[in-house]
Parts: sequence; C-alpha cells; structure tokens
Amino acid sequence: QVQLVESGGGLVKPGGSLRLSCAASGFTFSDYYMSWIRQAPGKGLEWVSYISSSGSTIYYADSVKGRFTISRDNAKNSLYLQMNSLRAEDTAVYYCARRYGSGSYFNYWGQGTLVTVSS
Amino acid sequence: SYVLTQPPSVSVAPGQTARITCGGNNIGSKSVHWYQQKPGQAPVLVVYDDSDRPSGIPERFSGSNSGNTATLTISRVEAGDEADYYCQVWDSSSDYYVFGTGTKVTVL
Repeated sequence: QVQLVESGGGLVKPGGSLRLSCAASGFTFSDYYMSWIRQAPGKGLEWVSYISSSGSTIYYADSVKGRFTISRDNAKNSLYLQMNSLRAEDTAVYYCARRYGSGSYFNYWGQGTLVTVSS
Repeated sequence: SYVLTQPPSVSVAPGQTARITCGGNNIGSKSVHWYQQKPGQAPVLVVYDDSDRPSGIPERFSGSNSGNTATLTISRVEAGDEADYYCQVWDSSSDYYVFGTGTKVTVL
C-alpha cells in the first residue's frame, strides 16, 4: 500500500535551516508529481511547493520562494524540502502529498512532521 | 492570487444534511476537490473533480460546482463526520494549488 513518511522536523531558531525528508513506498515514486503542504497550528492548509516526476518542473508558494528548495531522489524514493532563513510564521506541520496522476488533487498524504521556529 | 472562501463553521443534527460552500471567482470553470481532516490526522480526499468519490468514501458525500460556488453535501450526517473540511483547486494562471479557508462541521 502507498506510504509516505515524513521526517526531519524539530525546533529551530529564527534564521536557521532544516531539511525535511519524505520516504515513499508502495508505488513507483518516479511516476508521480509530489508536493509539500503545511498547516500552522490551529490554521488551514497551505500549499508550499511541488516537483514534477522527473524533477524538471518546480513551483513554490510566494511565501517560501527564495528560501525553500524542493528536490527528489527517484533512486531513493525520497522527496526533500530544504528550508533556509526560517521565520516564526513557518511554524507548521509539513505534509508530503502525492498528486493523482494527471489530476490536480492529492490522493495520498503522509502523517506530517512538525517544524517549530522559535528562539 | 486566487482565493477560496468557506464558512468557518456549519452545525448539523445527526441524520440531517450538511452543505459546505466554497466560493471563488468563476470557480465553476475549475475542478474542485474536497478534503476531510479530523484532529491530529492528515487530510483525506472525499470528493475530487467536483463530484467524484474516491473508493471507500460513502455515497453520503457528494459535490457540485457552478458559477462562483462549489458545494460539498453530506447527507444523513453521522457523528463520525465531525471534522474540518477544505476545498481545493489548481489555479493554472499562477501555477498554484489553492486551499479554501476551511469549515468546521459540528454534529449536534
């Protein structure tokens, strides 16, 4: 069955960096677009970034552009999010999610990893 | 950027029908998807492409989309339907995935 397992979250000071990972299993990872989506405590969902199956197409939300970098390693069935210059407002649970084929929705989500930015 | 507006909360008695709206400029021209999120859990897709249901989602969940409003309808509401619900679209003009503001459904 499809599994997405995030890791790498934790407490970091403002201005610091963190790298999130998402380990995928149960499907052919290299066939699917993947995204990072976050949710601040008590708030709604916010899409962060997506990467195409080959890694050649990448988009970011304006709120993270220039600070976050999405990447993938299809040989390792893994998705990454490098987060630099972190701010308090980046505090959230970060989910990795798989896009359905050519559709525009997410049919599989990980359980999320919490990132807390605080001094 | 494209904005999706949902009512913050909807309350419904068991066995009744809950309707959750999602407003956006000409949203009827886009495909709308809906997610259910229970406390401490990841979101779960309940309706995609306006009105289709993934396997395993009860027929009680249905969707529609026209004009400036999309609607998720939950018929014969059960206590287990109490959750937050989010609509979502792909805004091709900005290459953004956009989520609605979210609606908390309370079963009385």
